Amino acid sequence: EAGVAQSPRYKIIEKRQSVAFWCNPISGHATLYWYQQILGQGPKLLIQFQNNGVVDDSQLPKDRFSAERLKGVDSTLKIQPAKLEDSAVYLCASRSTTGTGTYEQYFGPGTRLTVT
Amino acid sequence: DQQVKQNSPSLSVQEGRISILNCDYTNSMFDYFLWYKKYPAEGPTFLISISSIKDKNEDGRFTVFLNKSAKHLSLHIVPSQPGDSAVYFCAARSSGNTPLVFGKGTRLSVIA
Repeated sequence: EAGVAQSPRYKIIEKRQSVAFWCNPISGHATLYWYQQILGQGPKLLIQFQNNGVVDDSQLPKDRFSAERLKGVDSTLKIQPAKLEDSAVYLCASRSTTGTGTYEQYFGPGTRLTVT
Repeated sequence: DQQVKQNSPSLSVQEGRISILNCDYTNSMFDYFLWYKKYPAEGPTFLISISSIKDKNEDGRFTVFLNKSAKHLSLHIVPSQPGDSAVYFCAARSSGNTPLVFGKGTRLSVIA
């Protein structure tokens, strides 16, 4: 079974520029998450999708961050304009909502963003 | 307001000995707890979990203990191996379609 794919793996941009990240979840996983992990911290949820609908985006800075999951499969996360404090690893995770109902999420390798 | 706390940023253990990683939580609504392991430049990988109806769950060398009255859980690794060197995250969630809340992580170094 293929894992969660993310691209790019690394990105360096200047502040006020825009950037987009892509995620392809595990096939058949209905729930998709985007997390932000700042150095020295644990992952913090930005947004959760169930199929192509948003379940929770309470911690997404909506003035600069946006995310979509068209057709309930791939997802993109965009930052526009970027700030220095957006430097972090952006992790995508997915989870199946069928079967035993465990809460296990599978994570992708992440995109390390550096804003200069 | 940190709902999941891992108060030890790092831990160093000799190969073959026991590693004990601790985690405290404040939200009494949490009913499911997970440990994730993270190597550099990789995403976190699921290690072991425990439901609040249990006080212990074991999987090979890994055992998680839950003390609900103290709002404390711990991960025991016996025996520790150099390949266990990684950052370990404790995570928790409440019932329903709620997100995981992660601690800051503990970096474990197993010395050969």
